[in-house]
Amino acid sequence: DTEVTQTPKHLVMGMTNKKSLKCEQHMGHRAMYWYKQKAKKPPELMFVYSYEKLSINESVPSRFSPECPNSSLLNLHLHALQPEDSALYLCASSQDPSLSYEQYFGPGTRLTVT
Amino acid sequence: DQQVKQNSPSLSVQEGRISILNCDYTNSMFDYFLWYKKYPAEGPTFLISISSIKDKNEDGRFTVFLNKSAKHLSLHIVPSQPGDSAVYFCAATSSSSGGGADGLTFGKGTHLIIQP
Repeated sequence: DTEVTQTPKHLVMGMTNKKSLKCEQHMGHRAMYWYKQKAKKPPELMFVYSYEKLSINESVPSRFSPECPNSSLLNLHLHALQPEDSALYLCASSQDPSLSYEQYFGPGTRLTVT
Repeated sequence: DQQVKQNSPSLSVQEGRISILNCDYTNSMFDYFLWYKKYPAEGPTFLISISSIKDKNEDGRFTVFLNKSAKHLSLHIVPSQPGDSAVYFCAATSSSSGGGADGLTFGKGTHLIIQP
């Protein structure tokens, strides 16, 4: 089972809203990632959690707030977003980071900020 | 500055022939390389990877070749099938993060179109 699930599939929010994106994996992976992908661009890394601890934050604005409640779940809390934040948000996971580098991606959440 | 480059935005290949997708990198710290396939409205799907200690890795119809001195890798698909039509991303990472997880750096992708 190499499935990473993400909810919701689509999200439309206003600039004053607060919403959350959810990601889940049951493969026993110990690293989880958030990427942002704009149209016709490659995915860009936002955050990395390794053993449930935030290990990388790629200078992401504070209106994006990640959370890793346990080893299977990863959330991305959104607040006061801008229209330019509209994008596909991808979650990924990988095994023990010292053993494997393959990352498995979920289907993404298509976010539109109005 | 792009650290992973895929210079062909698109490639058209006839069904049954070989598809060759190319990728170049500039960061000498990269030592692990991956290829992903992406259909519209889906997340990237892992295809095949290669460590810098190897120069070739094969999995069924997919073979990845790595030329470290040229900082170049390529993905060969033989024979090409209609279901292979998708965007292919080359990605790279470094194992030198002290055993911690590291993100992937992606190229811009190549849209492969398999003609019947």
